[in-house]
Amino acid sequence: AQSVSQHNHHVILSEAASLELGCNYSYGGTVNLFWYVQYPGQHLQLLLKYFSGDPLVKGIKGFEAEFIKSKFSFNLRKPSVQWSDTAEYFCAVNNYGQNFVFGPGTRLSVLP
Amino acid sequence: DTGVSQDPRHKITKRGQNVTFRCDPISEHNRLYWYRQTLGQGPEFLTYFQNEAQLEKSRLLSDRFSAERPKGSFSTLEIQRTEQGDSAMYLCASSQGGDGYTFGSGTRLTVV
Repeated sequence: AQSVSQHNHHVILSEAASLELGCNYSYGGTVNLFWYVQYPGQHLQLLLKYFSGDPLVKGIKGFEAEFIKSKFSFNLRKPSVQWSDTAEYFCAVNNYGQNFVFGPGTRLSVLP
Repeated sequence: DTGVSQDPRHKITKRGQNVTFRCDPISEHNRLYWYRQTLGQGPEFLTYFQNEAQLEKSRLLSDRFSAERPKGSFSTLEIQRTEQGDSAMYLCASSQGGDGYTFGSGTRLTVV
C-alpha cells in the first residue's frame, strides 16, 4: 500500500527565510505527486504537481518541488517565505487515477 | 462559481441521528471523491465515483456510511446512527481523469 510521510509536523520561520518541506512516499511503481496547501479556514488548493519530465516543477506563488526518484522524495521549496504563506501543506501521491494518499501535513507558521 | 460546492458547511447532530451531506462537483469532471479529515491529519480516502459508478470504497467506510451519485452529477454521503468518532471535516473533490483534484470547502460534522 502507498504511504506518504512528511518530515516536520510544524515549521516556524521568519519572513524572507528559505523553506524546504520534506515528503517521502512508499510505492514501487510510477506515481503522480502533488503538493496541496490549506490556508486557515479555507479549502485545499493545488500548489503544484509532477507527472513526468523535468523533475523540478514550479507551482503557484513561487513554490517549486523536486522529484528525486532514487530517494522517493518530493520536497517542496520556496526561496523566501512571506507571512501569507502561513498554512498547512500536504504532500499527496496518486497512482494514475486511483485515489490519492495524503501525508499528515506540515504546519508552516511565518513570523512577520 | 465554478468550483466544488458542499452543503451544509457545518452540521451539529446528536449521537444516533442520521446526517446527509451533498457535494456538487465541477460540471465537466467525471470523477468525484469523498475524504475525511480530522484535526492534525491529512485527508483520508473514503470512496470515489466515476460518473455514477462507485468504483472504490475504503475500509474506513463502515456499513453506517453510504454514498450515491445517482445521475453522475452531484453526490450525497449519508452517515447513519452517528457516533462521536464520526466528528470530522468531510471533503468532496472532483477531477477529470487522474489529474489533480479540486476540493470543496468541506462539511464540518460535530456529533454531540
